[in-house]
Formats: sequence, structure tokens, C-alpha cells
Amino acid sequence: GAGVSQTPSNKVTEKGKYVELRCDPISGHTALYWYRQSLGQGPEFLIYFQGTGAADDSGLPNDRFFAVRPEGSVSTLKIQRTERGDSAVYLCASSLPDLAGGYNEQFFGPGTRLTVL
Amino acid sequence: EDQVTQSPEALRLQEGESSSLNCSYTVSGLRGLFWYRQDPGKGPEFLFTLYSAGEEKEKERLKATLTKKESFLHITAPKPEDSATYLCAVQSEAGGYQKVTFGTGTKLQVIP
Repeated sequence: GAGVSQTPSNKVTEKGKYVELRCDPISGHTALYWYRQSLGQGPEFLIYFQGTGAADDSGLPNDRFFAVRPEGSVSTLKIQRTERGDSAVYLCASSLPDLAGGYNEQFFGPGTRLTVL
Repeated sequence: EDQVTQSPEALRLQEGESSSLNCSYTVSGLRGLFWYRQDPGKGPEFLFTLYSAGEEKEKERLKATLTKKESFLHITAPKPEDSATYLCAVQSEAGGYQKVTFGTGTKLQVIP
């Protein structure tokens, strides 16, 4: 596939459980982003990877949230001890890097809808 | 902290009825302003990037403009397929290079 893919498309879990959300970016895109979008809101920045390292994780709401990208391609967003307030659509996006600190178009995946009961 | 306010929250137009969507922003040095389109159940789709006041960009029936305080997305003679939520976002010089702040969007409905 040519686009960003995310799995699962839907995830229902119980409060207190651990979840993992997966993002497969466009091949060759070294920049990867995670966002969270609540109903009626715009996407909220969580974390940005350049290659394997998290270049900016200032958007992660607390230490229950963690993301990895061990080989610089697929990324996993991990949420521990889920709370009902974590329910949202989690979006992943990827882009080509702009080493001068500029902006390249971000291509978004379809998102994972997380519901915490 | 960067802030983006979009208005109206929702807009209903007849097919062919032109209008504009507004995006007001407050940033510590604008690096770029972006417009995205989002269809239900899908991720945002990139439309435009504007970098400086006075800049304009066009794509089919859409035209984006930028001033020092706001951006407009003009929709000329819209069609039902233009129905979507339109998101505005900004990147500031004070933030991390890749950190982008989104507004809450304008939900556009075009009636045939």
C-alpha cells in the first residue's frame, strides 16, 4: 500500500488495561508523528520521531503514554493503565524530513478508534 | 502557547453558493499555516501551506489566503463532494520544528 496504515482500526478495552496501537508509515518517510483527536476537536500533537529517536515528546499527556520506533519505520504507541479519558481516535502521520527545520506535508493514516470502558 | 480558532463551527451551503472559512491564530513567530480536509472516519488530507502574509494558494475551487492574524479558505461554487471538515493548523518558531497546533475545524455541508 502507498499510504500510512494503522492497526487496529478499532480497539475496545477496559479501564486499567494496557493497549498497543501500531503505525506503518509511507516507505522512505523518516519523520513520524502521533496525534490524538477527540470528538469535535482537531488533532492534538503527542510525539514526533525523526528516524528511531523521539525528537519531540512534549505532547504526551503523562507517563502512561509511551511510543517507540525501534527500526525507524513502524511505530507503536503504548498506553498503560488506560482511563476512560483516553478514549479518542489516535492518528499517525508521516513525512519526508526537512533537515532545515521547515515543514513537509504530513500524510495521515485512517486512525485507530480507542474506546475505554 | 500557540492558539488557533476556526469559525464558523459548521456551515451549510447550497451547491454553487460561494463562502469563506476563517482561521484566526496567535503564535510566537509563524513558521507556517496549513489547511487540511478531513472526511468522516478518515485522517486529515493536506491542502495548502502558507508561509507569509499576503501569500495565496489555489486548488480547484479552493483558495487560501494569509494575513498576519488570520487565514481564509475561500470556496467558490462548491459541490456536494466538497462536504468535509476543514482544519487549520500552525507551526511556530517557538515550538519544536515539527510540532503543529490544529484548530477545531469547520464542518462544511454542501447541499445539492
